[in-house]
Amino acid sequence: GQNIDQPTEMTATEGAIVQINCTYQTSGFNGLFWYQQHAGEAPTFLSYNVLDGLEEKGRFSSFLSRSKGYSYLLLKELQMKDSASYLCAVMDSNYQLIWGAGTKLIIKP
Amino acid sequence: ETGVTQTPRHLVMGMTNKKSLKCEQHLGHNAMYWYKQSAKKPLELMFVYNFKEQTENNSVPSRFSPECPNSSHLFLHLHTLQPEDSALYLCASSQESSGGYEQYFGPGTRLTVT
Repeated sequence: GQNIDQPTEMTATEGAIVQINCTYQTSGFNGLFWYQQHAGEAPTFLSYNVLDGLEEKGRFSSFLSRSKGYSYLLLKELQMKDSASYLCAVMDSNYQLIWGAGTKLIIKP
Repeated sequence: ETGVTQTPRHLVMGMTNKKSLKCEQHLGHNAMYWYKQSAKKPLELMFVYNFKEQTENNSVPSRFSPECPNSSHLFLHLHTLQPEDSALYLCASSQESSGGYEQYFGPGTRLTVT
């Protein structure tokens, strides 16, 4: 079966750095996505990785290792507004997104 | 504002009611999706439409009936629902022909079945 694993909840301090991991087992691979979802709002696109390596976009970076079935989202200089759920999703061989359950990130002052 | 709107934002309905959820995308995309989001569970893909044609129906019960009259509008018709159908229903769109697959989501309809 297809499976995406990510931690259920993480806590970090304002101004710090946090890394949210995602491991996957899917039928084929056509890219990995990270989305941010604030409570009661729509998920919004953060990043897309299809090749191995690190993609940096401002305070957020996303890393992919296809051989290990592993990705992480790195958030630097954490702000209170970063408190949200972070969803990992993999596009399989049929170009369908397989979603993780999301990681709820709590930022403390 | 992501360019995808959904109405209503909240809906409470009894098990014998019939209601419809509406989604509209203003992004010129050619694919639209319905997802179900339950607490602490992964997003569940329900239906996919490409160029108004349904391409996916992930074993969704017949009490959920989608309709896509054109590439900008998507409906989800609901009838004789069960309490376990209470969830957040999200609509999304994407432009697949351009090679970019990111999906843009609407704010969702919070559905409660009593």
